[in-house]
Amino acid sequence: AQSVTQLGSHVSVSEGALVLLRCNYSSSVPPYLFWYVQYPNQGLQLLLKYTSAATLVKGINGFEAEFKKSETSFHLTKPSAHMSDAAEYFCAVSEVNTGFQKLVFGTGTRLLVSP
Amino acid sequence: GAGVSQSPSNKVTEKGKDVELRCDPISGHTALYWYRQSLGQGLEFLIYFQGNSAPDKSGLPSDRFSAERTGGSVSTLTIQRTQQEDSAVYLCASTKGGQGYNSPLHFGNGTRLTVT
Repeated sequence: AQSVTQLGSHVSVSEGALVLLRCNYSSSVPPYLFWYVQYPNQGLQLLLKYTSAATLVKGINGFEAEFKKSETSFHLTKPSAHMSDAAEYFCAVSEVNTGFQKLVFGTGTRLLVSP
Repeated sequence: GAGVSQSPSNKVTEKGKDVELRCDPISGHTALYWYRQSLGQGLEFLIYFQGNSAPDKSGLPSDRFSAERTGGSVSTLTIQRTQQEDSAVYLCASTKGGQGYNSPLHFGNGTRLTVT
């Protein structure tokens, strides 16, 4: 069975600092991987996805993630945090052959950005 | 254009009552999903509809949960004889369908269900 582990339920950074949110996955087959962001009282919004093309994936709002098969990781980074990045971030995995987006989500990491 | 619309935004119900949650997907989106977000279980897939095909119900937690999609558009998630563990935010998402993962999921803001 697939699973996703997000290390750290909360991450705090200062504005302008590097953001690093960790995600490790477990899958029996090559997966598709996603990062979603959820702002307060809103639904989820796709930040970026890995679907077996380039291992370094660029997303919206300056975020990027690198798929590392040897480490079974898909960490999310942003060089310089902005106050507006404060939100909850979810990593998700899906098997390639399901034919639809049946995602298994991690437990989420809340990003706090201080001035 | 309009996004995925869910109603009600909040619902408080007594244990044992039935509830109906509604989802209006983005116009033209043929695929519709229900997910549940709860403190204990995180985000879980519930059910998937694609056009007129039989839905994938593999994520429904019990037979008290059911969903339908009328006319390939609006969907209703029904929970019968609600229990306190059903308290969660129920999220609906839609996508164009037939494009695999090239078409992202568009989520609504959810319905927060509280069972007292």
